Amino acid sequence: GAGVSQSPSNKVTEKGKDVELRCDPISGHTALYWYRQRLGQGLEFLIYFQGNSAPDKSGLPSDRFSAERTGESVSTLTIQRTQQEDSAVYLCASSLEGGRSQYFGPGTRLTVL
Amino acid sequence: DQQVKQNSPSLSVQEGRISILNCDYTNSMFDYFLWYKKYPAEGPTFLISISSIKDKNEDGRFTVFLNKSAKHLSLHIVPSQPGDSAVYFCAASVSFSSNDYKLSFGAGTTVTVRA
Repeated sequence: GAGVSQSPSNKVTEKGKDVELRCDPISGHTALYWYRQRLGQGLEFLIYFQGNSAPDKSGLPSDRFSAERTGESVSTLTIQRTQQEDSAVYLCASSLEGGRSQYFGPGTRLTVL
Repeated sequence: DQQVKQNSPSLSVQEGRISILNCDYTNSMFDYFLWYKKYPAEGPTFLISISSIKDKNEDGRFTVFLNKSAKHLSLHIVPSQPGDSAVYFCAASVSFSSNDYKLSFGAGTTVTVRA
């Protein structure tokens, strides 16, 4: 498909476990963003990658959160020692360099028991 | 700190009538505003945008109005159709650099169009 894809679509984990969420951006999109949406709230910015520049990690809520991106393709968001407050939908978006419009994936619904 | 606010969590409108969604922001540095539409189990999709140099942008049934002095924008949908039933997010960005467009989102407004 031509859109942003994310996996898994749903993840249920136990408190204290580590999880990895994957995002495949649209081919050719150099910018990649991670957001999360908690129940009843808007989307919260987490981290931003642009080409080979250092990522903007200003939105990461704690040092348990980290993300990597391989070149201008796949990105992985890792949450270590998950807590119940990490339960949310994690959304990935990509855009062209200099592009204002971000294209979102379907999200990964994370539930921490 | 919620910089973008959508104070109406829901809106119900009859098919064929106008839907008006409102959004307020606090950061005067925001220079670009977007509306996204989201169906259940899908990611948000871009709907319409407006730059701070304009006060109106129209695309078919969708029009966005920007009032910079009031730090307020609105989305008008005319006429409303059943397929418009979705959650609508207002978003804003500050271009710290030419390639940094991270978005600040409102909490969303759920629109239900009644037949």
